[in-house]
Amino acid sequence: AQSVTQLGSHVSVSEGALVLLRCNYSSSVPPYLFWYVQYPNQGLQLLLKYTSAATLVKGINGFEAEFKKSETSFHLTKPSAHMSDAAEYFCAVSESEGAQKLVFGQGTRLTINP
Amino acid sequence: EPEVTQTPSHQVTQMGQEVILRCVPISNHLYFYWYRQILGQKVEFLVSFYNNEISEKSEIFDDQFSVERPDGSNFTLKIRSTKLEDSAMYFCASSVVGDNSPLHFGNGTRLTVT
Repeated sequence: AQSVTQLGSHVSVSEGALVLLRCNYSSSVPPYLFWYVQYPNQGLQLLLKYTSAATLVKGINGFEAEFKKSETSFHLTKPSAHMSDAAEYFCAVSESEGAQKLVFGQGTRLTINP
Repeated sequence: EPEVTQTPSHQVTQMGQEVILRCVPISNHLYFYWYRQILGQKVEFLVSFYNNEISEKSEIFDDQFSVERPDGSNFTLKIRSTKLEDSAMYFCASSVVGDNSPLHFGNGTRLTVT
């Protein structure tokens, strides 16, 4: 069975600092991996996805994530945090190529300090 | 940009009552989904729907739940006899067919069962 673990339910960084949100997954087959962001009172918005084409994936808003099979990780990074990055971030895994039965992590709330 | 819309944004109901949560997926999408998030817990897959039938459902999606696409635009989730533990945020999502296309989520309906 698939599972996702996000280390740290809350992460706080200063504006301009590096953002690192951790995600480890468990999957019996090569996975499809996703990061979603949820701003207050909004739905989940796709940041980026990994589908085996390249291990370093670039997404929207300057975020990127690197797939490391040996570490079963898919950590999300951004070199320089903006105040507008404050949100909840969810890592998710899927084994299917068609219908998206996503298994989500518990989410990480990112706070940006001025 | 096209959006998935959900109504109402907040629904309060008494235990044992039936509720219908409504969603309008993006018009050219053919896969439809319901996910839910109990407060403080992970986002969980409930059901996927394609070609007018359920393609996959989770253990959560028991006989109390049903989905329907009553016309060409709406996609509904019905809970026949609500329980306190059904209180959650319910997210509708849609995607185009195949090729691991990303899910587009609505803003959610917060269901409170009293």
